[in-house]
Amino acid sequence: GNSVTQMEGPVTLSEEAFLTINCTYTATGYPSLFWYVQYPGEGLQLLLKATKADDKGSNKGFEATYRKETTSFHLEKGSVQVSDSAVYFCALKNSNDYKLSFGAGTTVTVRA
Amino acid sequence: EPEVTQTPSHQVTQMGQEVILRCVPISNHLYFYWYRQILGQKVEFLVSFYNNEISEKSEIFDDQFSVERPDGSNFTLKIRSTKLEDSAMYFCASSEGTGSNQPQHFGDGTRLSIL
Repeated sequence: GNSVTQMEGPVTLSEEAFLTINCTYTATGYPSLFWYVQYPGEGLQLLLKATKADDKGSNKGFEATYRKETTSFHLEKGSVQVSDSAVYFCALKNSNDYKLSFGAGTTVTVRA
Repeated sequence: EPEVTQTPSHQVTQMGQEVILRCVPISNHLYFYWYRQILGQKVEFLVSFYNNEISEKSEIFDDQFSVERPDGSNFTLKIRSTKLEDSAMYFCASSEGTGSNQPQHFGDGTRLSIL
């Protein structure tokens, strides 16, 4: 079956620090990969996605590259802001599935 | 930008009572989903719905759960006889299709508390 493993949090950083959140996956077939973000008091928002090997998804300064050889989709941002404080979820979806499979989520707190 | 909206934001119910959680998906979307997140745990898939039928469901989605699209806009999740372990955040989502470039869009969730 499908599974997603994220690095455990919480992660606390200072503004302008570099952020990496590791995500690895197990899946049958060739899944699409996603990062969702949940800001305090809000729902899940799609942050970025990648649909095939070596694709790079990017949005709001965040990037993640679909690495089939290492079954990974690590999220990175070069210079975080206080407004990036949120819970980040890695997720995958097989083409023949309806459901998203989520990782456990990583809480990120950025201090001014 | 169009949004998925969920009501209520917080529902408190006595154990054994029925509860209905409501969602209004994005208007041109055809696929609808429910997920839940028990406090401190992963977001888990419950069910997907297309063309007035359940297209996929998880082991969690037993006979106590049902979904319905009673009119052209609402999508509901009913829990027939709630248990303490049903306490969770419930997320509704919708998508235009199931392709890789048709991602699921989520609502803000309903926090269900069973007493």
